[in-house]
Parts: sequence; structure tokens; C-alpha cells
Amino acid sequence: DTGVSQDPRHKITKRGQNVTFRCDPISEHNRLYWYRQTLGQGPEFLTYFQNEAQLEKSRLLSDRFSAERPKGSFSTLEIQRTEQGDSAMYLCASSRLVGGSYNEQFFGPGTRLTVL
Amino acid sequence: AQSVTQPDIHITVSEGASLELRCNYSYGATPYLFWYVQSPGQGLQLLLKYFSGDTLVQGIKGFEAEFKRSQSSFNLRKPSVHWSDAAEYFCAALNSGGSNYKLTFGKGTLLTVNP
Repeated sequence: DTGVSQDPRHKITKRGQNVTFRCDPISEHNRLYWYRQTLGQGPEFLTYFQNEAQLEKSRLLSDRFSAERPKGSFSTLEIQRTEQGDSAMYLCASSRLVGGSYNEQFFGPGTRLTVL
Repeated sequence: AQSVTQPDIHITVSEGASLELRCNYSYGATPYLFWYVQSPGQGLQLLLKYFSGDTLVQGIKGFEAEFKRSQSSFNLRKPSVHWSDAAEYFCAALNSGGSNYKLTFGKGTLLTVNP
């Protein structure tokens, strides 16, 4: 396994700009997850995909956020009209079915977003 | 509501001393349980996991954790801490039944290791 990769690792933007992050999961992992981690907190679930279908979205995911996984491989997370409160680490994870359960998630290095 | 609690925000130990990080969970049924470690600016690395069976689980880097159903706890231990163990540690839980997609994390415990 080459591991989960995320790009970019760091992003600095001005308030009101749009940003897009990319996540490449471990190959053959059909579930992909997005989490957000603010300073001093544990990661919080945002959304997840099974193949190309987005099956669950947290209420944390406002209408300025959109995530896609068009071909069931990589995923993108876009934030429109960024606000200073969006500054956080965005973590991606992936998992596969083992013994009838998706019970272990493998995390990428994260994208650190700073909104000025 | 499902939750994971790490009562200690920050712990300082001396190198070579033993370590115990506390974790309690509140779930309807016993969840799957995990400990992750995060170095500054990095992602999460899995230290160990508990699904079922033996309540004492061994992980990487010399860490172990003990599941205690009666106390709803899953505490992380290491007999002798190394300076390289300084990092933030997160306990997390996942539903063991249906809808097992969402990891719920505690707020983390920051470990400082004194020489």
C-alpha cells in the first residue's frame, strides 16, 4: 500500500476565496472519509463515500462545502467563499471491507487550511 | 449521544517513566476502539485497536491498551516512555454494528516528555 495522499499539504487563502483539496485513497479501498480538525480538538466527521456515492454528510458540512468522488477513486473537497472559521486541518481517510466490516480507517497527512 | 472522553488534556512524564492515558466511551453497545498518535502538523497513525476477544491489546512502538467493559474504558499504557513519544494521542470509537462509518474522537491528550 502506498498510503492515503492529500494535496496540497498547506493552503493559505484570503477570506471569500474558493479552495479545493484532493485526496487519493489506498487503492482498492472503496470507502473514503473526510474529517476536519480544529486547533486543540479531535477530528470531526464531515462526510463519506462508498465508491462514488456520497452516503452521509454531517451537519458541520454547510452549503459552502461540497465533496465529490466521481469515479470512485480520488475525492475532492471544495469550500466556497471561505471564512476564517474554516481554518483547520482537513483529513482524509479510506477503508475497505474486512471480515464483513469496514472497521479500520487509514488516514492521510492532512491539508492545513489558513484563511486570512 | 455517542461520545469519547479523554479527561487529561496535557500530561508530562520523564523519559523512562511509565505512562497511562485515559479514555472513556459512551455508546449504546460496545464499539470498536482505537488509539491514534499525531505528531505536530501530521496526520494520524494507528497505534492499536480493539474489536473483541482478549481485553489487553498490543500495538506498535511498545504501547498496549486494556479494555474494561465495566468502566467503559480503554486506557493506553507504555512501561517506559521515550523522548520520541512526545505527541498528541487520540482515542476513538466506531460503531460495531450498522452505520459504522463515523469515527468519534476524544479531544486528545498532549504528551510532553522531559529528559
